[in-house]
Amino acid sequence: AQSVTQLDSQVPVFEEAPVELRCNYSSSVSVYLFWYVQYPNQGLQLLLKYLSGSTLVKGINGFEAEFNKSQTSFHLRKPSVHISDTAEYFCAVGKNAGNNRKLIWGLGTSLAVNP
Amino acid sequence: GAVVSQHPSRVICKSGTSVKIECRSLDFQATTMFWYRQFPKKSLMLMATSNEGSKATYEQGVEKDKFLINHASLTLSTLTVTSAHPEDSSFYICSASVWRNEQFFGPGTRLTVL
Repeated sequence: AQSVTQLDSQVPVFEEAPVELRCNYSSSVSVYLFWYVQYPNQGLQLLLKYLSGSTLVKGINGFEAEFNKSQTSFHLRKPSVHISDTAEYFCAVGKNAGNNRKLIWGLGTSLAVNP
Repeated sequence: GAVVSQHPSRVICKSGTSVKIECRSLDFQATTMFWYRQFPKKSLMLMATSNEGSKATYEQGVEKDKFLINHASLTLSTLTVTSAHPEDSSFYICSASVWRNEQFFGPGTRLTVL
């Protein structure tokens, strides 16, 4: 069965500092990996995704993630964070189910950017 | 980009009543809609997968008679919480996709059952 582990439930960081949010997955089949961001009381917005090809994926708002098959990881990084990056971040793995693709979610990492 | 709306954004109801939440894909036809439930500071829990014109597929542990899902068209799915109780209070989020492509999420509906 597929599962997703986000290793840090909370990450406090100062503005303009670099940040890494960690995500590990388990899957015995081809993987499709996603990072979503959720601002307070809002829905989810896709940051970036890995479906195939280059293992370094660039997303919106200056975020990027690297797919590491040997370590089964898909860590999210940003070299310099802003106050506005304060949000909940979710890692997810896609699982094909018939004609659909379901998402298996991590528990989320709360990023708090302090001035 | 693809836009998904939910209505209402917030609803407060009395225990024992039923509440309907709508999910609409505004600028594309969605073959599949997903319904999630999110508890405070928790991840999303997939409740059911709904394909247009067919019965929804519920995840294990989700009561299909309590959470009624209708997907009558390629742009509209509804979730009805029947005989709501305080423990049903939660943030309900829908998403829409075309086949196995990216899911686009609605803004969520905050349900409070008194």
